[in-house]
Amino acid sequence: GGIITQTPKFLIGQEGQKLTLKCQQNFNHDTMYWYRQDSGKGLRLIYYSITENDLQKGDLSEGYDASREKKSSFSLTVTSAQKNEMAVFLCASSRDINERLFFGHGTKLSVL
Amino acid sequence: QQKVQQSPESLIVPEGGMASLNCTSSDRNVDYFWWYRQHSGKSPKMLMSIFSNGEKEEGRFTVHLNKASLHTSLHIRDSQPSDSALYLCAASEASGSWQLIFGSGTQLTVMP
Repeated sequence: GGIITQTPKFLIGQEGQKLTLKCQQNFNHDTMYWYRQDSGKGLRLIYYSITENDLQKGDLSEGYDASREKKSSFSLTVTSAQKNEMAVFLCASSRDINERLFFGHGTKLSVL
Repeated sequence: QQKVQQSPESLIVPEGGMASLNCTSSDRNVDYFWWYRQHSGKSPKMLMSIFSNGEKEEGRFTVHLNKASLHTSLHIRDSQPSDSALYLCAASEASGSWQLIFGSGTQLTVMP
């Protein structure tokens, strides 16, 4: 089996700050995703990548950048943190299109 | 309007009862449906997937799919307190966009 590691687990930022979240997977999966989950709600797709150096925007990409530096890693940048923003950012990977997603444990973001 | 809509938003069933959850896509390009389960404080895990019209059963869980109406349902018989979780429906296309779009979820509570 494999694992998806997200760092940090908790992130506290200041309004207007640029914040970076990291995700590593050792499944050797091609496709990786970043989702945002607000408390008790569904997942909204921010960015996804179908292979190394590929980037595709999801419905929630405004205010975020992403980078797929290598097959095993996918990072997400909040370009300017919004005051009182609080959400969990979930990274996921899958072997191929239309295969199940495996999720990391999430990064919980709070902005003061 | 969300592309994947789930109902009800929350559901309470007694232990041993039947829980029925619904999901409909407004995107006619969707081919595949997925059900994920997320326990409180944990990351989502895939429960079942269905790609063809009809029914699929795995233990106490049954999913139905009607591709003409783009409607899927998840039924949990003999519900247990451990089934209490957020159930997320997701939809994807067989070709074209690689996005996996999630609904807002149904919060299921099974009362002992």
